[in-house]
Amino acid sequence: GENVEQHPSTLSVQEGDSAVIKCTYSDSASNYFPWYKQELGKRPQLIIDIRSNVGEKKDQRIAVTLNKTAKHFSLHITETQPEDSAVYFCAPTTGNQFYFGTGTSLTVIP
Amino acid sequence: DGGITQSPKYLFRKEGQNVTLSCEQNLNHDAMYWYRQDPGQGLRLIYYSQIVNDFQKGDIAEGYSVSREKKESFPLTVTSAQKNPTAFYLCASSIAAYGGYTFGSGTRLTVV
Repeated sequence: GENVEQHPSTLSVQEGDSAVIKCTYSDSASNYFPWYKQELGKRPQLIIDIRSNVGEKKDQRIAVTLNKTAKHFSLHITETQPEDSAVYFCAPTTGNQFYFGTGTSLTVIP
Repeated sequence: DGGITQSPKYLFRKEGQNVTLSCEQNLNHDAMYWYRQDPGQGLRLIYYSQIVNDFQKGDIAEGYSVSREKKESFPLTVTSAQKNPTAFYLCASSIAAYGGYTFGSGTRLTVV
């Protein structure tokens, strides 16, 4: 299956700073790149996604950038707030096969 | 709960027992999935189904079984062969292609 890695595994930032999480994958056929946010004890929720024909997508404070040549995509959160504290998972997709990264625990310090 | 319902929320199992976790969706999604999540870890795929009456093993299918008799339903049975079943189980569904997941709220299974 797909080899998916996320970096860093943990990240602490001061409130108001930016956070960046990187996801690398191995399958060059991957064509859909979502990010999920999971708060403690809750279900993962899709927060942003990007298709293979787009390099960047932004939704308010959240953005995703894609580099298909290098096989990585990144989640960018600007002006972080305490409620952004959660675990974030990437899930590069080939057809209907989703492969989750191991997760990045983000802590936003007030 | 966002169109996909898991029950029960908490489940306790005695050793040697089989238990079944329910997952129902009304999103008209073709594909459904079961994931297991252990504390502080990522999601691992148990089984998935892309159409009714068909399903495939994921990465950790041993000790589990599923059925897909209806599009809306994808129950997971944790059998006595699963040696370490205590975990958080998440059901998800997606449009057959190019769709993000919608997750259920999860079932926390504990062996007592």
